[in-house]
Parts: sequence; C-alpha cells; structure tokens
Amino acid sequence: DTGVSQNPRHKITKRGQNVTFRCDPISEHNRLYWYRQTLGQGPEFLTYFQNEAQLEKSRLLSDRFSAERPKGSFSTLEIQRTEQGDSAMYLCASSLEAGGPYEQFFGPGTRLTVL
Amino acid sequence: GDSVTQMEGPVTLSEEAFLTINCTYTATGYPSLFWYVQYPGEGLQLLLKATKADDKGSNKGFEATYRKETTSFHLEKGSVQVSDSAVYFCAWGERGQGRGSTLGRLYFGRGTQLTVWP
Repeated sequence: DTGVSQNPRHKITKRGQNVTFRCDPISEHNRLYWYRQTLGQGPEFLTYFQNEAQLEKSRLLSDRFSAERPKGSFSTLEIQRTEQGDSAMYLCASSLEAGGPYEQFFGPGTRLTVL
Repeated sequence: GDSVTQMEGPVTLSEEAFLTINCTYTATGYPSLFWYVQYPGEGLQLLLKATKADDKGSNKGFEATYRKETTSFHLEKGSVQVSDSAVYFCAWGERGQGRGSTLGRLYFGRGTQLTVWP
C-alpha cells in the first residue's frame, strides 16, 4: 500500500498525559500537512512542512502542540498535557509540490479520546 | 466568518434522484477549489477539482463548475446511487506562483451528509 499511513489509528489517554502520533506520507511527496477534525466539522488546518521545514502553523496549534519532520520523510505530532478539548480525529495529508496538478492525499487519521 | 459555506445536511434522496450540494467560498486571489468525499469508515478522498474560473471538475458522474463571479462551486450529479452515500466536503486552497503550484493549507466546509435509499 503506497498511500498515507498514520499510527496509531486510535488513542485513548487520560487528561494531562502526553501523546505522539506518526504520519508516513507517500514516499515521493515533499509536503506534509496536519489537520484536526471534530465531530460534525470539516478538517481544520494545523501545520505543514515542505521537506523538513515547517512553513506555516495555525493559531490552533497552541504551545502544547509540536510537530516535527526531521528527515523530510515521516512526521510526528505531539500533544503535551492533553485536555478533553483535544479529543478529535487528527489527519495527515501529503502532496507533491512540483509544478504538477495539486492534490492532497489524506491518511485514515488517528482518533484521540482524552478522558 | 467561515471561509467555506456548505449546504447543511443531512440530505436524503432516493436512488436515481438529482443531487445538488451548494458551496460558496470566501477567498482572496485565485484559489483552487475541491470537493472531497468521505465514505463510511474511510479517509478523505479527492472527488474533483477546478483550478481556474469557469473550469468544470468532473468524476464518477459528479460535476462542479468554478464560478468566480458568485464565488460558488456547487456539486451536482444527475442520478445518485446508494453507493454515493457519504459525507461531502467543499474546500479551497491558495494557488501560489508557478505552473501548477499551490501554497499550503486547505480550507474546508463543515461537510454534507448524503444518504441515498434504494
């Protein structure tokens, strides 16, 4: 399977704990995006990378959130001191920014439940 | 205000009925426009796109035309099937400089749940 993969698919944690999610993009894609989706809403942008550089961060990305893409391949999203309001589906997408047709390919998401 | 306004759901139709899901957007410049679909238990998939005014995106019998004068990108299908039951998201993305390139984020609507009965 050469699509975008995300791990874990589900995460249940207690309030105050730290969690980390991983995203593996499509191998030749140089852009990687993180979105958050809550029930009944569309995805909301969090941040994106071009190769290893983090180019933009949303105001939604508080200082408890940090994202990395150290080698320009996979990415991790860490949430520190989780709160119940962090419960959501976290989506990763990737694209090839190289003068071709533009499309973001999405992974299946990681569903986070904070108790 | 919202960057993308979609027709609220749920939308319930009988098989072979005509479908329209309205979408209007608020954006500066010349965005690219998209419809994504999310089938039950699956991730978001691109359904169709249009990158400039008057372009028509089409796929699987669905169509949408980029209307810059009305800032709209309504989704239509002439005859829906049970298998079209899903959540549909309208979105726009900033179109950057250079041939075919686009800057980062997508702005999504809230989604419209479509249920088609046999």
